[in-house]
Amino acid sequence: EDQVTQSPEALRLQEGESSSLNCSYTVSGLRGLFWYRQDPGKGPEFLFTLYSAGEEKEKERLKATLTKKESFLHITAPKPEDSATYLCAVQAGGSNYKLTFGKGTLLTVNP
Amino acid sequence: NAGVTQTPKFRVLKTGQSMTLLCAQDMNHEYMYWYRQDPGMGLRLIHYSVGEGTTAKGEVPDGYNVSRLKKQNFLLGLESAAPSQTSVYFCASSRLAGDYEQYFGPGTRLTVT
Repeated sequence: EDQVTQSPEALRLQEGESSSLNCSYTVSGLRGLFWYRQDPGKGPEFLFTLYSAGEEKEKERLKATLTKKESFLHITAPKPEDSATYLCAVQAGGSNYKLTFGKGTLLTVNP
Repeated sequence: NAGVTQTPKFRVLKTGQSMTLLCAQDMNHEYMYWYRQDPGMGLRLIHYSVGEGTTAKGEVPDGYNVSRLKKQNFLLGLESAAPSQTSVYFCASSRLAGDYEQYFGPGTRLTVT
């Protein structure tokens, strides 16, 4: 059974204080690992897809990296508008539709 | 493009009542999904569709039915609502090939009393 564990559950940062969120996974043949951002009362918003170990992707202050067992979402010099819940999901090989989601990390960035 | 839209945004039902949630997408995506999101549980797949006229069960299908009569629409039905179905429901869609990221709607908050 595919499993995704995200840590920490919640993270408070000061504006400008860089940090990382972790997503550990077990899956039978990874097809892709996805990061989403979810604001309160809204649907998840797609951020990145990573396909193979060693891959990295960046968007503004966010950088996602992938190893064979985990992914990190690095947040550099965060701003209050980066406050959100960040969700990680995996897709197994042979399943081009099913995503298994973690429970998310609630990030709060204080000004 | 509106992307993925859902109606209604909020609904309160009494136990035993029925309702239908509507999802529409204008991206010509083949795949569509219904999820529920509960505190501490993460997103869980209820049903999905890989094309017009097809549906399949996801992780938590009991108590729900779905239909995909048109490619752009995916309906989620509750025949006899129960308090355990109080949740936020999200619809999503994705392409048939290439990148498989799913695009989500804004959600429907359902309360069953």
